Formats: sequence, C-alpha cells, structure tokens
Amino acid sequence: DQQVKQNSPSLSVQEGRISILNCDYTNSMFDYFLWYKKYPAEGPTFLISISSIKDKNEDGRFTVFLNKSAKHLSLHIVPSQPGDSAVYFCAAIHGSSNTGKLIFGQGTTLQVKP
Amino acid sequence: ETGVTQSPTHLIKTRGQQVTLRCSSQSGHNTVSWYQQALGQGPQFIFQYYREEENGRGNFPPRFSGLQFPNYSSELNVNALELDDSALYLCASSPGPYNEQFFGPGTRLTVL
Repeated sequence: DQQVKQNSPSLSVQEGRISILNCDYTNSMFDYFLWYKKYPAEGPTFLISISSIKDKNEDGRFTVFLNKSAKHLSLHIVPSQPGDSAVYFCAAIHGSSNTGKLIFGQGTTLQVKP
Repeated sequence: ETGVTQSPTHLIKTRGQQVTLRCSSQSGHNTVSWYQQALGQGPQFIFQYYREEENGRGNFPPRFSGLQFPNYSSELNVNALELDDSALYLCASSPGPYNEQFFGPGTRLTVL
C-alpha cells in the first residue's frame, strides 16, 4: 500500500528552466511533508518542508506547494542548475507518529541539461 | 562536526546467513532510525531507537533487530537472510524522535 506516490520516475529539463516534481498521498492524517535530494553513494539530504497548515513554503530557488484537498504537493526549482541533477524523494509524517517516521515516495530522477 | 557514518559500505552475504550493520550518529543526537531502500523504491522505515530503547517499528519481521549503545551509535542485525533483503540500508540520526533526520551514506547489502 503505497501511501506516498511519485508517479514520474524521471524528469529532464534544460538549465535555467523550471523543474516541477510532483507527489501524491493518500492518508489525510499526514501533517508534515518533506523533500529530500539524493546523490549516488550519499544518503538523502533534507531540502525543504511544509506543514499541512500552509500551502506554500519557499527557500531560495526551491518552493514547495501543498494542495490538501487534492492530496498533492509539488516541488518547484527555479532556475534549474546542472548540480540539481539527483533523485528527489517526497516524504510524509503521520500526525500521530511518535517517531517522526518518514514515509517516502519512490523517487524522481531529475536531470538538468547544460 | 562529524556527520552520520555507516559501516561497512558494501557487503555480500549468502541466503540464510546473518549480518550486522553499524551506524554512528551525529554528535548530540540521541535517536537513530533505520530504513531499507530496495532498488527503484523509496526508503522504508524499519525501526527507531531513542535513548537505547526501541521507539517504533515498521512492517518488518522479527529477524530484523537492533541495538542502540550508550554513545547512541546503533546496530541493525538481520538473521536468516533472504534474497529480498538485498537493498541499501540507511541510518539517520536526529536530536530527538521527532526532529529532522540526518542520513548516513548507507550500506549496500547483496544477498546471493
């Protein structure tokens, strides 16, 4: 039962353009969402997060949008840079969790072409 | 400040064997969470240790067990290895159970 889904396994964009990565979830009890970036041979690193009480959070080139009614979030990267090429994971935390356990999507591989 | 480290980097075992993976948490962190990442999938939560006690467990069988030591480093033990246990095992440390998790580079386990 995949509670967090990233339906696009890969995305390719040109340097300088916008990258939009999408994530859908099924559990309405999720109250915190995070995006992680992973390079080969490294662990995932935290990128940006959003609480369910907000619909947008921005940090530099990265913006996360949350649409609770649609159970959908997206990560926008503007402008995209070749160094952004990595696997991006969306993750959620259940509101009643006492562990902060992360429930991850399958990941989307982003390639930014120079 | 030293980040999260894991050992070994790679490991090859045969079906039925037992394996121990190790994780050193970041300085000041008292919580370690373990995840399994199968090929093409996102990481899946195995369990979490907080101040040397198990603080939550995902949907993994009892042959997956763990320990946390007084210095907050941790071990993941897997008994009776199966082919499907082949995966990247990630550990993440945090200042507390509900704080931001910092991941190590992982241990790649191959079961033949």
